[in-house]
Amino acid sequence: QSVLTQPPSVSGAPGQRVTISCTGRSSNIGAGYDVHWYQQLPGTAPKLLIYDNNNRPSGVPDRFSGSKSGTSASLAITGLQAEDEADYYCQSYDISLSSLSGYVVFGGGTKLTVL
Amino acid sequence: QLHLQESGPGLVKPSETLSLTCTVSGDSISSSVYTWGWIRQPPGKGLECIGSVFHSGSTYYNPSLKSRVSISVDTSKNQFSLKLSSVTGADTAVYYCARTRSGSTYYYMDVWGKGITVSVSS
Repeated sequence: QSVLTQPPSVSGAPGQRVTISCTGRSSNIGAGYDVHWYQQLPGTAPKLLIYDNNNRPSGVPDRFSGSKSGTSASLAITGLQAEDEADYYCQSYDISLSSLSGYVVFGGGTKLTVL
Repeated sequence: QLHLQESGPGLVKPSETLSLTCTVSGDSISSSVYTWGWIRQPPGKGLECIGSVFHSGSTYYNPSLKSRVSISVDTSKNQFSLKLSSVTGADTAVYYCARTRSGSTYYYMDVWGKGITVSVSS
């Protein structure tokens, strides 16, 4: 079970807008740690899509955007295209209150299907 | 252009040590801005961060793997390496190396290798 919670799947028709949620808690997203998003096309390595909550690396289309509020974050994709069909992962950092040690955490991933 | 390439055996026996190397080209592993990390993905499952190393040799390890993991760096070869001891079938996964950025509020992987599949089986 992943520390960050994502819906297992979302879908949308070409041209539509979809959002993927990432729910954390007070020890990770709610503690102020940034959220990052990765896109993993079938059979390939993950690719950084959004960093520091809402920043796009060079080359990532502005159809992709991120936001963060409280203990949650979201990835929005507008103008959905067939090539967007992939798995999407959110990632942040967590502090264990029992040990005060930090660790990197991922969401379980969301499969986006373009209808 | 930055390129990372994983190498190592694709098959490891249970209880033995998994050893992988990541060769970096297009950037110096001695960069003071980045760390260099390993992430794995079991078949059909999600991503798990294993840990990372700074060019000075300082490391971060996932607490759940810390007792079995060692990550080191060889700046002369522009490589960094992963050792995972006492492996079991649960360690079967695609292993990725990646360039990592970290700070007081962030830790993320901005460039990834293509990954190497490692199976644990007798």
